[in-house]
Amino acid sequence: SQELEQSPQSLIVQEGKNLTINCTSSKTLYGLYWYKQKYGEGLIFLMMLQKGGEEKSHEKITAKLDEKKQQSSLHITASQPSHAGIYLCGADNAGGADGLTFGKGTHLIIQP
Amino acid sequence: EPEVTQTPSHQVTQMGQEVILRCVPISNHLYFYWYRQILGQKVEFLVSFYNNEISEKSEIFDDQFSVERPDGSNFTLKIRSTKLEDSAMYFCASTGQSNQPQHFGDGTRLSIL
Repeated sequence: SQELEQSPQSLIVQEGKNLTINCTSSKTLYGLYWYKQKYGEGLIFLMMLQKGGEEKSHEKITAKLDEKKQQSSLHITASQPSHAGIYLCGADNAGGADGLTFGKGTHLIIQP
Repeated sequence: EPEVTQTPSHQVTQMGQEVILRCVPISNHLYFYWYRQILGQKVEFLVSFYNNEISEKSEIFDDQFSVERPDGSNFTLKIRSTKLEDSAMYFCASTGQSNQPQHFGDGTRLSIL
């Protein structure tokens, strides 16, 4: 079955600093999704990557999918308090309307 | 912006009782999902639903669980006889096309006593 490993598990970063979160899959990914979750709340969609080597950016967040489609990274530039939360990567490895498999998440804390 | 809505936000139920969790997916979406997240653990897929039938279900989704789309707007998850280990946050999600992102509701926190 699909397994997603996220690293680090938690991250404390000073406001204004850059950071990177990684997500590694045990199988080739059909689609890789990044979500953000605030504690006790729902998942907010950030970005979707489907092609090997693909890179997408939104505001200060950039996500990349490697050529082999087994690893993705999420990079935040000049972090702000609003970036704090839990970042989850989710995998779609079947290409259909199937459920996503999620990693355990990375807890991001931004220190002022 | 359209969103997935879930009710109630918190449900407290005695063990052995039936519970129904409700979701209103985004109106033009065709694919519907339920996930659960036990406190401190991963978000886990339960079931997907398309064209008025289950398209995929996980090992967690046993005979105690059922889903229904009783009308054109609601999508429900029923747990027939709740157990203590059913305590979790339950998320509903929907998408318009199978290769598009799933949009999640804020969840229902289910507490079984």
